[in-house]
Amino acid sequence: DQQVKQNSPSLSVQEGRISILNCDYTNSMFDYFLWYKKYPAEGPTFLISISSIKDKNEDGRFTVFLNKSAKHLSLHIVPSQPGDSAVYFCAASARGGNEKLTFGTGTRLTIIP
Amino acid sequence: GAGVSQSPSNKVTEKGKDVELRCDPISGHTALYWYRQSLGQGLEFLIYFQGNSAPDKSGLPSDRFSAERTGGSVSTLTIQRTQQEDSAVYLCASSPQIRGGDTQYFGPGTRLTVL
Repeated sequence: DQQVKQNSPSLSVQEGRISILNCDYTNSMFDYFLWYKKYPAEGPTFLISISSIKDKNEDGRFTVFLNKSAKHLSLHIVPSQPGDSAVYFCAASARGGNEKLTFGTGTRLTIIP
Repeated sequence: GAGVSQSPSNKVTEKGKDVELRCDPISGHTALYWYRQSLGQGLEFLIYFQGNSAPDKSGLPSDRFSAERTGGSVSTLTIQRTQQEDSAVYLCASSPQIRGGDTQYFGPGTRLTVL
């Protein structure tokens, strides 16, 4: 039972354009969402998060949007840079408990120079 | 400052042997998590520590898996009688968990290969 889904295993985007990565979840108890970026042979690196009380959070080139009614979130990267090429994981947790993260299977983003 | 460290970075073992994986969390972080990533899969939760106690072991796949944490710091994940399906990258994360919604910071992982 995959509670967090990333339906696109890969995405290629031209340098300078916008990258949009999508994530869907099924558990309505989730109220905190995070995006992690992972390079080969390294651990995931925290990128940006959003609480369920918000519908948007922005940090530099990265913006996360949350649509609670659709149980959908997305990560926008603009402008995309070659260093953004990595695997991106969406994760969710239910705060107030042990806050363990439930991860999606990841989307491999390739930025084409 | 120092991040989460894990050792060894790679471990190759024979089926049936026991292995120990170590995690050093960020100093002062009270919460510690173990996850694993099997080939082509997302990260899967294994166990959570708050201080030295483990209130949630629900992700451990079998009784061959155990973990402990001492002094509220270092944690060891032990896999007994390893099987080929245990091959994965084992990741440790820590967070301050002073309040809800603290970010988890990950170590580089230990790649375990069971032959």
